[in-house]
Amino acid sequence: DQQVKQNSPSLSVQEGRISILNCDYTNSMFDYFLWYKKYPAEGPTFLISISSIKDKNEDGRFTVFLNKSAKHLSLHIVPSQPGDSAVYFCAALGSSGTYKYIFGTGTRLKVLA
Amino acid sequence: DTEVTQTPKHLVMGMTNKKSLKCEQHMGHRAMYWYKQKAKKPPELMFVYSYEKLSINESVPSRFSPECPNSSLLNLHLHALQPEDSALYLCASSQVQGLNQPQHFGDGTRLSIL
Repeated sequence: DQQVKQNSPSLSVQEGRISILNCDYTNSMFDYFLWYKKYPAEGPTFLISISSIKDKNEDGRFTVFLNKSAKHLSLHIVPSQPGDSAVYFCAALGSSGTYKYIFGTGTRLKVLA
Repeated sequence: DTEVTQTPKHLVMGMTNKKSLKCEQHMGHRAMYWYKQKAKKPPELMFVYSYEKLSINESVPSRFSPECPNSSLLNLHLHALQPEDSALYLCASSQVQGLNQPQHFGDGTRLSIL
């Protein structure tokens, strides 16, 4: 049973426009969420995180929004750049004791020049 | 540049071979992790070490044997693997286990079992 879902396997966006990547989760015990970017032949790179006590966190071009009632988070990239083309994973962490990341299935973002 | 270094980058081995994957970090992190990632799938947690002690084993078959010789090193010993074990093996570290904080990943070892 996939507790963290990214329903869009791929997304194409024009350079300079906004990229919006979505992630849904089912477990209300998750209280910390992260986004990772992964290029081919490299490990995931941490981008941005958000705690469940917040609904927004911003770092440069990247903003993560959390809607706890909908169990939904999103990553906004503005403006999108060709170098942002990668696979993006969301991950959730619960405080139930296991401290185990649950990763989503990933969304492949392609930013077109 | 990644701060978590994994060697080798690629490994091809037969089902009867014994090999080891190595992971090193010098960030002073006291939690280290092994993940397995199959193509087009998310990383799946295998093991967690906290302060050099095994903290979590996600019911991984015994043909995978982790070892944490010191706070900077994490090994994964492989023996009698199966073709379905072919995957990308990722190592990660974090300051400590259990706090809300990011894990830092290495670039992985791509393992192929013949």
